[in-house]
Amino acid sequence: SQQGEEDPQALSIQEGENATMNCSYKTSINNLQWYRQNSGRGLVHLILIRSNEREKHSGRLRVTLDTSKKSSSLLITASRAADTASYFCATDRDPTSGSRLTFGEGTQLTVNP
Amino acid sequence: GAVVSQHPSWVICKSGTSVKIECRSLDFQATTMFWYRQFPKQSLMLMATSNEGSKATYEQGVEKDKFLINHASLTLSTLTVTSAHPEDSSFYICSVAGLTDTQYFGPGTRLTVL
Repeated sequence: SQQGEEDPQALSIQEGENATMNCSYKTSINNLQWYRQNSGRGLVHLILIRSNEREKHSGRLRVTLDTSKKSSSLLITASRAADTASYFCATDRDPTSGSRLTFGEGTQLTVNP
Repeated sequence: GAVVSQHPSWVICKSGTSVKIECRSLDFQATTMFWYRQFPKQSLMLMATSNEGSKATYEQGVEKDKFLINHASLTLSTLTVTSAHPEDSSFYICSVAGLTDTQYFGPGTRLTVL
């Protein structure tokens, strides 16, 4: 299995509910990032959390990082139909450079109106 | 963040031909760009790191003679798929390395090889 595994692979919720996606990784990291991809499009950066941070917020997004468990979670609160997309976590391959990223398998989120 | 464009957005070609994909950083000096490949319902796989004015660094298993990368300016990197075959059909995405370890992605190019 590769760096940056996510679960669930697919998540379907109703509008207004919260969505939680998890990501696990295997090696030490400098930072962990979450990206969003709408179908057939490029990726949009959502949030970056550094290895010395435990939690970070951005609007309706909340990211946590547990380096002891090598895991992260992305919480989207009060979801909207427009949040429907694939969400990927990404870790830097080389903690000293932080530039090359390894992406997880992604979670396909569907928010039903 | 940086605005990144790709051209073309989709291309269909015959087996054996070469296809060039352009990645432009419209408002940011892109010293480093990345090329990814994404198969349907799968994650992004890094193909190569492109540095302005120098040779690209390819990931293990990626044929440098098949996927030619040129990064001659701070605003443009190109990926040429040479002698394309149906198995090269994929979604190719480029990104620009930002200042704070983030990457800014282009919209992707859908390549279909017949």
